[in-house]
Amino acid sequence: NAGVTQTPKFRVLKTGQSMTLLCAQDMNHEYMYWYRQDPGMGLRLIHYSVGEGTTAKGEVPDGYNVSRLKKQNFLLGLESAAPSQTSVYFCASSYTDQRTIRYFGPGTRLLVL
Amino acid sequence: KNQVEQSPQSLIILEGKNCTLQCNYTVSPFSNLRWYKQDTGRGPVSLTIMTFSENTKSNGRYTATLDADTKQSSLHITASQLSDSASYICVVSAVNNNDMRFGAGTRLTVKP
Repeated sequence: NAGVTQTPKFRVLKTGQSMTLLCAQDMNHEYMYWYRQDPGMGLRLIHYSVGEGTTAKGEVPDGYNVSRLKKQNFLLGLESAAPSQTSVYFCASSYTDQRTIRYFGPGTRLLVL
Repeated sequence: KNQVEQSPQSLIILEGKNCTLQCNYTVSPFSNLRWYKQDTGRGPVSLTIMTFSENTKSNGRYTATLDADTKQSSLHITASQLSDSASYICVVSAVNNNDMRFGAGTRLTVKP
């Protein structure tokens, strides 16, 4: 039982490049989330999903897209990376809404030059 | 303005000492409050969760308190250990939606 896993762990991009971050969970959770964490700030919700095939915008969705084709996977895409997207990205999952999140994935550190 | 404010931003204590971290919030109407521990390079892990009717919750050497009237919470760590070195994040949820507001965290360093 791996819990919540994220790939890659670290990535460097040039401005304008694209990439996809993968989140996987093996707990059969319906809800999945993507957050970003920046220095001196609390985690902020980017997008979330309440079930396979569904996605919704969070607090800071601009510049990101997501897909939930399989229940266990939640993908976060950056179509044209910008330096402002340099951050640490965390994925989480839960049975119901955000209030039941017990732990987050290990994080993906992204540097956009 | 962040709806969840934590203090201090950082704290250094000696191993074996106690410490208390503070969280003030304005999120309303209140649903629950969680404290998470985030080790360096890892994702946050839940320590405690409290609803409106609870004013204290313990998890080993960690004890969280909640005063819903003053909208304040504290996390008390007893007999600190080197492994307690981490960031501690206060997260408050509202009732009428599943919105969660994260504090910026307190960075705790426990020195031998």
